[in-house]
Amino acid sequence: DAGVIQSPRHEVTEMGQEVTLRCKPISGHNSLFWYRQTMMRGLELLIYFNNNVPIDDSGMPEDRFSAKMPNASFSTLKIQPSEPRDSAVYFCASSLTVLGRTSGRSEQYFGPGTRLTVT
Amino acid sequence: GENVEQHPSTLSVQEGDSAVIKCTYSDSASNYFPWYKQELGKGPQLIIDIRSNVGEKKDQRIAVTLNKTAKHFSLHITETQPEDSAVYFCAARRGKLQFGAGTQVVVTP
Repeated sequence: DAGVIQSPRHEVTEMGQEVTLRCKPISGHNSLFWYRQTMMRGLELLIYFNNNVPIDDSGMPEDRFSAKMPNASFSTLKIQPSEPRDSAVYFCASSLTVLGRTSGRSEQYFGPGTRLTVT
Repeated sequence: GENVEQHPSTLSVQEGDSAVIKCTYSDSASNYFPWYKQELGKGPQLIIDIRSNVGEKKDQRIAVTLNKTAKHFSLHITETQPEDSAVYFCAARRGKLQFGAGTQVVVTP
């Protein structure tokens, strides 16, 4: 199993530019989570999908952030326009949810993250 | 919503000694409590978890205890080794996971 795959691993962009982060969840998983990690705020859940449908986007900071999951094997997190305060590590995680409850140990598997720097 | 507090923020231990990290949570309906280990440049990795119907769980050198009445849970690492050096996060779940702020553990040889 390849695990959760994220790309790019590092992104450096200028303020005002559009940034797109990509995630491929573990095959067979039906829940996908986007997190942001900073020193000041720790790990924050931005949005999560179940069966490709956004369930809770209350953590999305503002309208500049959007996320999509067009199919079970791909998701994007887009920031447009980007700002220096968006600099952080963005993680994608996936898990298997059955009948509205995460099954087994409810384990979320995290990807390696994308380190975003906005100058 | 759920609020998770984690202590200490940093922990330095001598190799071979034990390390203990403590977390408290606010929502009595939370029913799942995982612990994650994050090494530099990597994503968090689940190391052990416990459900609210269990008071203690052990996996080799790692153990977790849960006190539902007091709403706190702890991670215990025995016989620490240099490779245990990392940031450890606790989390509590009622619906979605709420993470603690993390504990930087440094194991010195």
